[in-house]
Amino acid sequence: DIQLTQSPSTLSASAGDRVTITCRASQSISTWLAWYQQKPGKAPKPLIHKASSLESGVPSRFSGSGSGTEFTLTISNLQPDDFATYYCQQYNSYFSFGGGTKVEIK
Amino acid sequence: QITLKESGPTLVKPTQTLTLTCTFSGFSLSTSGVSVGWIRQPPGKALECLALIYWDDDKRYSTSLRSRLTITKDTSKNQVVLTMTNMDPVDTATYYCTHRRETADGFAYWGQGTLVAVSS
Repeated sequence: DIQLTQSPSTLSASAGDRVTITCRASQSISTWLAWYQQKPGKAPKPLIHKASSLESGVPSRFSGSGSGTEFTLTISNLQPDDFATYYCQQYNSYFSFGGGTKVEIK
Repeated sequence: QITLKESGPTLVKPTQTLTLTCTFSGFSLSTSGVSVGWIRQPPGKALECLALIYWDDDKRYSTSLRSRLTITKDTSKNQVVLTMTNMDPVDTATYYCTHRRETADGFAYWGQGTLVAVSS
């Protein structure tokens, strides 16, 4: 099974900051990676698929990059609505999720 | 507009079998490339993909839970059913139904989720 490791597990930031979350895969997954945002009590919201393709309606301050085993999600100009937990997910071989990164208010 | 909704019991006893139904609209599970999956999330923990069924009836299961899971589809009713046997308190979680538009997709659409507690 492919393991995904996200770092950091918690990130403290302020509105207007640029934040980067890293997701590392235990083996190459090409660009078969998605990112999700989840708020308490809600279903995850898709942000990005195929490593860098923004889902429809997602603000352009969100961007994804990477291939192989290392990927990043960047949020530029962090907005109050962006404080949430973020998950990466691979779909190269079956499906697995990272452990999540909580972006909290500094 | 694509929607998915999970239904099933909110409480099951240990050793019982859980049956969850996903009723969806806005797409057909007979369209090439399409799939519907089940994902769960224990309280305060990360997401875990349980099972997925494709338009051609191909099925994929979590390696660790494979022996306990069965996923089926009823294309005419726009439903996907997940059964999980031998439920245990550690299976307490919110169970989500999800949809992929194509094989290059992540899980683009999600149901609201249903919380299932396992307790005697």
